Amino acid sequence: AQSVTQLGSHVSVSEGALVLLRCNYSSSVPPYLFWYVQYPNQGLQLLLKYTSAATLVKGINDFEAEFKKSETSFHLTKPSAHMSDAAEYFCAVGEGGFQKLVFGTGTRLLVSP
Amino acid sequence: ETGVTQTPRHLVMGMTNKKSLKCEQHLGHNAMYWYKQSAKKPLELMFVYNFKEQTENNSVPSRFSPECPNSSHLFLHLHTLQPEDSALYLCASGSGSPGELFFGEGSRLTVL
Repeated sequence: AQSVTQLGSHVSVSEGALVLLRCNYSSSVPPYLFWYVQYPNQGLQLLLKYTSAATLVKGINDFEAEFKKSETSFHLTKPSAHMSDAAEYFCAVGEGGFQKLVFGTGTRLLVSP
Repeated sequence: ETGVTQTPRHLVMGMTNKKSLKCEQHLGHNAMYWYKQSAKKPLELMFVYNFKEQTENNSVPSRFSPECPNSSHLFLHLHTLQPEDSALYLCASGSGSPGELFFGEGSRLTVL
């Protein structure tokens, strides 16, 4: 079965600092990988996805993620954090025709002024 | 109205009550999902419907009963729930594009 592990339930950064949220996956087949974001009192929203094309994937709001097969990782980065980035971020792997997503436990990003 | 709409947003019920959660999508998608979100746990897939047919039941207890009368509507009927069923229940629809799900804002359920 496929799975994802998100290291760190909370990550704190200052406004303007680099954001790095970690995700490692386990999959016996080439994975489809996703990052979703959940703002307070809202549902999840797709940030970006990797579907075996370019290994560096760009998403909304200047977020990007790099697929590294050798490290089984798909870390999410943003060069400069903004206060509005404060939210919970979920890494997910697709299976079963890729309409089923297996999510990680989430990482809450805190951004301080 | 666009997107995925869930009602009610908040629900408090006793263990002997019967209630239902409703989800409606206006995106023209053919797949609909129920996920359970509990604190400090990964989102748990509960049910999947494709073209109104249930294609996935992830070993969900029978006190949760889904219903999908058409591709735009999905219900989750609840009865004799337990306090540990308290969670945020998220509905999503799928366009067919791999892994691209559109989520509603969720129904926060509290079981007393």
